[in-house]
Amino acid sequence: DVQLVQSGAELKKPGESLKISCQASGYTFSTYWIVWVRHLPGKGLEYMGMIYPGDSDARYTPSFQGQVTFSVDTSINTAYLQWTSLKDSDSGVYYCARGSRGSPLAGPLDSWGQGSLVTVSS
Amino acid sequence: EIVLTQSPGTLSLSPGESAILSCRASQSVARLAVAWYQQKPGQSPRLLIYDTSTRAPGIPDRFSGSGSPTDFTLTISRLDPDDFALYYCHQFGHAVATFGQGTKVEI
Repeated sequence: DVQLVQSGAELKKPGESLKISCQASGYTFSTYWIVWVRHLPGKGLEYMGMIYPGDSDARYTPSFQGQVTFSVDTSINTAYLQWTSLKDSDSGVYYCARGSRGSPLAGPLDSWGQGSLVTVSS
Repeated sequence: EIVLTQSPGTLSLSPGESAILSCRASQSVARLAVAWYQQKPGQSPRLLIYDTSTRAPGIPDRFSGSGSPTDFTLTISRLDPDDFALYYCHQFGHAVATFGQGTKVEI
């Protein structure tokens, strides 16, 4: 079975750095795009961008370009989402999801991680 | 960026009734690039429909999708108590993928 297991909840202060993880199993990690989605409190889902583990090709939406960094470690089938300087407005739930195989399409998202809650507060 | 507008915001129905959820796109979207997800409180979204009308594995046939190129519909026939949840449409046919704001189906 395809599974994406994300790291646990984080409580951080503004200005701190953070890296959350998404470990994949049950399929060939390098051949499917990993998509990152944000869910803000009381709001809907927001597409952040995606990364192809096969060659670390990362694509960001304009809203997130320069704000976060996607990376992967194919030796442990894990994708990462990183911030260097968190803001209060980064608080939310972050999901990784499996996107398309090969083609750079951000969907359909057929398997999702359980979500990582990030709380940024002074 | 394509805006997806879902309506209604909330649908109040009873088990056994049918639900019709709408998703309108601000520009044309290819049928192959439209999906629907179900999300329950405290859970991750679950893929229901992809390619506008194809059910994901394990999804009951009371869920069906249709539409194009700017108007898409998710129909849930014979609502089961387990179907009361939040539903999102999703397009990924353009450079920036987007989601609708969601429709809540409640009892």
